[in-house]
Amino acid sequence: GAVVSQHPSRVICKSGTSVKIECRSLDFQATTMFWYRQFPKKSLMLMATSNEGSKATYEQGVEKDKFLINHASLTLSTLTVTSAHPEDSSFYICSARTGTGGSQPQHFGDGTRLSIL
Amino acid sequence: KQEVTQIPAALSVPEGENLVLNCSFTDSAIYNLQWFRQDPGKGLTSLLLIQSSQREQTSGRLNASLDKSSGRSTLYIAASQPGDSATYLCAGWFSNDYKLSFGAGTTVTVRA
Repeated sequence: GAVVSQHPSRVICKSGTSVKIECRSLDFQATTMFWYRQFPKKSLMLMATSNEGSKATYEQGVEKDKFLINHASLTLSTLTVTSAHPEDSSFYICSARTGTGGSQPQHFGDGTRLSIL
Repeated sequence: KQEVTQIPAALSVPEGENLVLNCSFTDSAIYNLQWFRQDPGKGLTSLLLIQSSQREQTSGRLNASLDKSSGRSTLYIAASQPGDSATYLCAGWFSNDYKLSFGAGTTVTVRA
């Protein structure tokens, strides 16, 4: 149980393109979803937190207009990297959990490798 | 700001040896602590979740302990196998924060 599906797993595109990444909780309702970015050999950096039906809360230094997050249902959140540039190339990972308290585990997707040429 | 530290950053052991991975945190007001495994180029797989009221959790060859007073958690992997080679991350959820705070991870290599 508790499977988080992330799609696509890899994207290669030209600079200036907008890229959408989907994150789905397959067998549970995700009250809260998280989007992370991971640089090579580094730990995860939280970009934003979203609750279903609400606007996402972005971490300091993360551009809201660059990284658009939509959490339209309890099983789906999307991250759109708008007008992507080479510096946006990274590994993006989504995570989901039920409830808002600290007792529930977070479950992670397999990540999306984004490469901007 | 919560700080979660994992030392060492890398570890290499021969197959069959028991693994001991350390995680320390600065805030004793912790809700839970989670251990994850990450394979190269992949997402995170949740291994064990320890609630603040618990002292340890076990799953197969894995055992994780939590000592809030000393700000430490330890992940034990018994009889290591080459398939255990991966990066192991610990992350804590603290009472005055709303997000998981991650350690930098320990990369484990089990030599056949």
